[in-house]
Formats: sequence, structure tokens, C-alpha cells
Amino acid sequence: RKEVEQDPGPFNVPEGATVAFNCTYSNSASQSFFWYRQDCRKEPKLLMSVYSSGNEDGRFTAQLNRASQYISLLIRDSKLSDSATYLCVVNGANAGGTSYGKLTFGQGTILTVHP
Amino acid sequence: DAGVIQSPRHEVTEMGQEVTLRCKPISGHDYLFWYRQTMMRGLELLIYFNNNVPIDDSGMPEDRFSAKMPNASFSTLKIQPSEPRDSAVYFCASSFNGDGTDTQYFGPGTRLTVL
Repeated sequence: RKEVEQDPGPFNVPEGATVAFNCTYSNSASQSFFWYRQDCRKEPKLLMSVYSSGNEDGRFTAQLNRASQYISLLIRDSKLSDSATYLCVVNGANAGGTSYGKLTFGQGTILTVHP
Repeated sequence: DAGVIQSPRHEVTEMGQEVTLRCKPISGHDYLFWYRQTMMRGLELLIYFNNNVPIDDSGMPEDRFSAKMPNASFSTLKIQPSEPRDSAVYFCASSFNGDGTDTQYFGPGTRLTVL
């Protein structure tokens, strides 16, 4: 089983649509979770961190379910500029819960928003 | 701030040649990470440093790969000899802390093609 698994898509949606991405992770000791965005032929950039209580940043909402080891990202009112690859990212941690800097990236979910 | 700087941006070489990739992290960041991205394997961590000391090199594919960080503002990733399967985009990233909670800032990457 991969450490971080995502639905690769691609998702093709019209402007204004709501789209949701899902991700599962295998290390139950992981403490930190993120969504990164990567534009075509560019570097990944942090989109948002994911907190246990769920968090929202404008049109973007991230949710974490520790029991199911599941992370989601919801994009509302999608824009053309949202077209990118969305990477689910989980940090490493040992059984004792000590976090360390190794981030594991999912394969990414490709989103294309069309007019 | 200039962000993470990588050079060269593109490198085309022939099998068997030595390749050296360079990275300058963001000033004040104590952690530096080298990643490789391919279509097949996605984004993989190769090695990371804390205060110029290698912490985890378990992702380095084989002895042909080596990385150094002689000072806080410079790191190199060397491949010798290079092989066609090394063709990928190599990213350098840096962060302030290394517990996985802090944002990693990526450089623009070096696109390596080995013929």
C-alpha cells in the first residue's frame, strides 16, 4: 500500500462547479497534513495546512479524519486559475508520535477547470 | 526574499557524464531537502539536511547519487555516472524547522535529461 494515495483524476469541471479531492494515508502516527498545489512545469507550493477540526480558506475547505486516515479538499465556485495538480502531503512520524521533517507526497490529482 | 534558487534550470547530458545540481536555500532556513519528480513515481524525497548535516538519505537511489551541504547557503546533488533513468525534475526545498509542521518552500527545479 502506498503511504499516501490519491485519486489521480483527471477532474474536468466547468467554472463555478464544486469539486472534491480525497486522500488516504497509511502512517497512523503522522501529525501534520497539507495540500500543495503544483502548476504545470512549476514547483509545488503550499495551498493550505489541514487541521483536525477542519479549516477553510476562502473557497477552499480541508478536512481531516484521523480515525479513517482520510483527508479531503473541497473547492467551491471553481475558477479557471484553479487548474493545477493538487498534492496531498503527510509528514513522517514514529510510533511514539515524534514528527520529523520527511514529507510524503501523493501522486497528485489533476484538475482542469473549463469555461 | 529571492526564494530557493536552483541551477541550472535545464540540463541535457549524455549517459555516463557527471551531473551537478546546485541549490541555495532561503536565508535563515535550517533544513534543506532534495526531491526528484517523475511521472511514474511522483515526488520523492532523496535526502535532507539540518544545519548542513545529512539527516536522512534513505531516499538516495544508489551510490551514483551524492549530496553535500558545505555551508548554510549552498548544497549540491551530484550524479556520477548519469543514466537515462535519472531523467527527472529535481527540486530543492527549504524550511525553517524540520518537524514537518513548517512550510517547505520549493525552488523552480532542474529539469535533467540524460540521453
